[in-house]
Amino acid sequence: AQTVTQSQPEMSVQEAETVTLSCTYDTSESDYYLFWYKQPPSRQMILVIRQEAYKQQNATENRFSVNFQKAAKSFSLKISDSQLGDAAMYFCAYKRANGQNFVFGPGTRLSVLP
Amino acid sequence: DAMVIQNPRYQVTQFGKPVTLSCSQTLNHNVMYWYQQKSSQAPKLLFHYYDKDFNNEADTPDNFQSRRPNTSFCFLDIRSPGLGDAAMYLCATSRTFGEQYFGPGTRLTVT
Repeated sequence: AQTVTQSQPEMSVQEAETVTLSCTYDTSESDYYLFWYKQPPSRQMILVIRQEAYKQQNATENRFSVNFQKAAKSFSLKISDSQLGDAAMYFCAYKRANGQNFVFGPGTRLSVLP
Repeated sequence: DAMVIQNPRYQVTQFGKPVTLSCSQTLNHNVMYWYQQKSSQAPKLLFHYYDKDFNNEADTPDNFQSRRPNTSFCFLDIRSPGLGDAAMYLCATSRTFGEQYFGPGTRLTVT
């Protein structure tokens, strides 16, 4: 069975600085998707960024980028120029390309300090 | 805007009194999911529908049932809520190949 691990239960970053959240996963599949989701306090879960395993190029969405290391089964999220609104729980998630279930990591709570 | 809608946003029920939570979507996605999320934890998948096919997770209690009468709507029925069922219930949708879109959730309180 696939598993997703986030080794940092909590992280903090100064406003305007850069922070990297770690995620590792375990799978025997070669084709899959990886995602980072953000869940602000008492607010809706939203997609931050997605990565297809067959793509070597790391995904980027504005201030958010990933470092996808397929051989190491690592998928970290870098947030640049951190803003107060980035404070949230961040969940890393995995999905087989031909499956429907999403496997979530336990989450990392990110605090942004003014 | 296309979206996932959950009603009600807050639900209070009594111990043992059946309750139904609803989810609707305007995204026309073929897969719909129900998750249970407790404080500061990852969402726990209860079941999902792939088109009309129902898929139950092995550890989902029998107390939880679901219905999907059409593509747009999905319901979560809790037949006899216990105190341990108090949680946030999240509905999500996706296409066969793609990311999930989540609704705002229904917070269930059991008294």
